[in-house]
Amino acid sequence: QSALTQPASVSGSPGQSITISCTGTSSDVGAYNYVSWYQQHPGKAPKLMIYEVSNRPSGVPDRFSGSKSGNTASLTISGLQAEDEADYYCSSYTSSSTYVFGTGTKVTVL
Amino acid sequence: QVQLQESGPGLVKPSQTLSLTCTVSGGSISSGGYSWTWIRQHPGKGLEWIGYISYSGSTYYNPSLKSRVTISVDTSKNQFSLKLSSVTAADTAMYYCARAMATSVWYWGQGTLVTVSS
Repeated sequence: QSALTQPASVSGSPGQSITISCTGTSSDVGAYNYVSWYQQHPGKAPKLMIYEVSNRPSGVPDRFSGSKSGNTASLTISGLQAEDEADYYCSSYTSSSTYVFGTGTKVTVL
Repeated sequence: QVQLQESGPGLVKPSQTLSLTCTVSGGSISSGGYSWTWIRQHPGKGLEWIGYISYSGSTYYNPSLKSRVTISVDTSKNQFSLKLSSVTAADTAMYYCARAMATSVWYWGQGTLVTVSS
């Protein structure tokens, strides 16, 4: 299974909105509404930010939102804040009952 | 609050078997509905899903690692483990244990760095 494709980096100024894409195939992202998004700060374990495409766990700010169209899922951060600077990874369930992560995106707050 | 803690050797020789254990606290590993998962991250790289064992005892592995991986559960110790055989330098990574529910990983261990070197 190949890693899902994400842009290597995305940047924005405080208060702006940014969107990170996550492109897979009809065997993973396109097949199920089982896309998750994780935030990872340097030296830390990842943290779940979005599950099942668009749901936020308790405690995750509502400026984080997720969506999906076809084989591509997206994470949008609205009202970008300094603490949002981190690496972000998508993941998807696959038709083989396994999981695959995205290549990761470094978000920089200018 | 569920907590997970990885343990095991930080240095493994090439061709040997990497063995890690994850101790779960704050909840029973026998509780239904969860998948006990291993994920790794090569230095400076992205996340790689290794595999998981479901609450029913079924195991699922990354196809690229399947021939070398075994994940098992010890309910008496509230632990689950990872064995990766025939390791090479390419297996040097931070290894995370985690608890997944409904296709997402909700709880992560802090990670343990394993280096493969002679």
